[in-house]
Amino acid sequence: GQNIDQPTEMTATEGAIVQINCTYQTSGFNGLFWYQQHAGEAPTFLSYNVLDGLEEKGRFSSFLSRSKGYSYLLLKELQMKDSASYLCASMDSNYQLIWGAGTKLIIKP
Amino acid sequence: DVKVTQSSRYLVKRTGEKVFLECVQDMDHENMFWYRQDPGLGLRLIYFSYDVKMKEKGDIPEGYSVSREKKERFSLILESASTNQTSMYLCASRSLAGEAETQYFGPGTRLLVL
Repeated sequence: GQNIDQPTEMTATEGAIVQINCTYQTSGFNGLFWYQQHAGEAPTFLSYNVLDGLEEKGRFSSFLSRSKGYSYLLLKELQMKDSASYLCASMDSNYQLIWGAGTKLIIKP
Repeated sequence: DVKVTQSSRYLVKRTGEKVFLECVQDMDHENMFWYRQDPGLGLRLIYFSYDVKMKEKGDIPEGYSVSREKKERFSLILESASTNQTSMYLCASRSLAGEAETQYFGPGTRLLVL
């Protein structure tokens, strides 16, 4: 079946590093997306991985292991504005997205 | 910049009313989607459209219908609103069918059905 899991909530300190994990089981896997969603706002695209490995984009990096059905989003030098929900979504063989419930990240000063 | 707009940010309706949620995108995207988002659940796909006049059921189409008469506009219709349709509704668009392109989201419509 199709399944995607990520932690419900995480807390981190301003200036620190946090890793948000996501595991998935997706038929005909076509890649893994990460989106950021601030409270009351629309999700905005952060990253897309289809090949194994780490993709770095400024303070944010995303990693994928297809053999393990595993991805993580790494946020460095955390800022208060990074407080948001982070949504993991896998793309299936029909190019539809299967969404995780989101990880609410709380940043403390 | 891609822009996806939705007709209302907040909407309050009564049980049994017919509700129209409008979504417009300005990037000539072929694909458009309607999701609902509820606490503790991932985004759930209601309907999607690969192109004008085309529509496909998503995972939870019951109680909803859609219309795509023009490429830029995708409407979600609640034929007879019920309290369990109280939710955040998100519209998204995407450029090529069959490609792993990013979905761009509108700001959402928070619907309350009393």
